Amino acid sequence: KNEVEQSPQNLTAQEGEFITINCSYSVGISALHWLQQHPGGGIVSLFMLSSGKKKHGRLIATINIQEKHSSLHITASHPRDSAVYICAVPLKYSGGGADGLTFGKGTHLIIQP
Amino acid sequence: GAVVSQHPSRVICKSGTSVKIECRSLDFQATTMFWYRQFPKQSLMLMATSNEGSKATYEQGVEKDKFLINHASLTLSTLTVTSAHPEDSSFYICSARGDIPYEQYFGPGTRLTVT
Repeated sequence: KNEVEQSPQNLTAQEGEFITINCSYSVGISALHWLQQHPGGGIVSLFMLSSGKKKHGRLIATINIQEKHSSLHITASHPRDSAVYICAVPLKYSGGGADGLTFGKGTHLIIQP
Repeated sequence: GAVVSQHPSRVICKSGTSVKIECRSLDFQATTMFWYRQFPKQSLMLMATSNEGSKATYEQGVEKDKFLINHASLTLSTLTVTSAHPEDSSFYICSARGDIPYEQYFGPGTRLTVT
């Protein structure tokens, strides 16, 4: 089974700072997900990527399949970015795309004005 | 597109009663849906994989007789927590897989409190 490690667990930064959150996993994967969870609990899917890099607004996600590592970056951070960011990969890699996910413990991000 | 809804968003029930949570894919057909739960200050954990028209596959440690899953159509999966106990209080989230490989679309979650 796959295991996910995220770092840092907690991150407090000032508005405008460049933010990096890291994710490592143990077993080969089909795709990796970055999710955002707000205090109410709802999950928002930010990225699903299987190679290279994706960008959406101020968010950038990269993945290195060989090193089993992914990063999520936030440029020009803003207080509204404050949330828990979670990395997730297939629990059991079957290659078929119908895999339930296992999740990292999340990074609690606070952006102060 | 690719919207998943859950109902109810919050439910409080008494110990010993059963609670049903619905997960619907609103604008796509989902042959596979997943049920996850999250205890306070813990990670999301996969409970079961639900395939339309067949029995659900449960993860180790999840009681299939307690958490009944029914995926009767391509747009609806239900999770019934039977004889609920306070330790079942948790945040339950479903996700649905559409046609695009590896994509999962998450519902907003259901917060269950058992008193």
